[in-house]
Amino acid sequence: EVVMAQSPATLSVSPGEGATLSCRASQSVNSNLAWYQQRPGQAPRLLIYGATTRATGVPARFSGSGSGTDFTLTISSLQSEDFAIYYCQQYDNWPPYTFGQGTKLEIK
Amino acid sequence: QVQLQESGPGLVKPSETLSLTCTVSGASVISGSFYWHWIRQPAGKGLEWVGRIYTTGSTEYNPSLQSRVTMALDTSKNQVSLKLTSVTAADTAAYYCARSGIYYSVWFGPWGQGTLATVSS
Repeated sequence: EVVMAQSPATLSVSPGEGATLSCRASQSVNSNLAWYQQRPGQAPRLLIYGATTRATGVPARFSGSGSGTDFTLTISSLQSEDFAIYYCQQYDNWPPYTFGQGTKLEIK
Repeated sequence: QVQLQESGPGLVKPSETLSLTCTVSGASVISGSFYWHWIRQPAGKGLEWVGRIYTTGSTEYNPSLQSRVTMALDTSKNQVSLKLTSVTAADTAAYYCARSGIYYSVWFGPWGQGTLATVSS
């Protein structure tokens, strides 16, 4: 099973600033990585797939990078609606498909 | 636009079987190159993939749950079902259904809103 590790667990940032979230896989997942945003009380929402491709309707302030074992989600100029929990997920090696434990992005 | 809606009993007794359904609108569960998935999330915790079913009915499950999970398609109701046997408190979670592409396109979207299943006597 591919273990996904996200860091930090919690990130405190002021609105308008940028944020960088990290995800590391226990073995290479090539570019088969997705990012999701989950707001309180809601289902996760797909943000990024293929490590770098924004899903339909996702604002350009969200960007993904990386390949192999190390990945980054960058959010520029944080808006109030961006404060949420973010998960990475690999789909290179299955079963099972696996998620990171999440990074909570909170208002500073 | 594809929409998914989970439903289920809400409360299940330990050792019994949890049965959930995902009703799909805007697409047929037996058409196209798609997987239909169940993913669960205990309160305050992360996401765990439970299993998937292809439009042909073939299935694949999380090895950690494989002995207790069954997924099926109901074409007459356009639904995806999940049965989880011999439940314990550890199975208490929000259960989501989601769709994905196949092979190396297995990112999840859209998702249903989720249904909470509580295991308690």
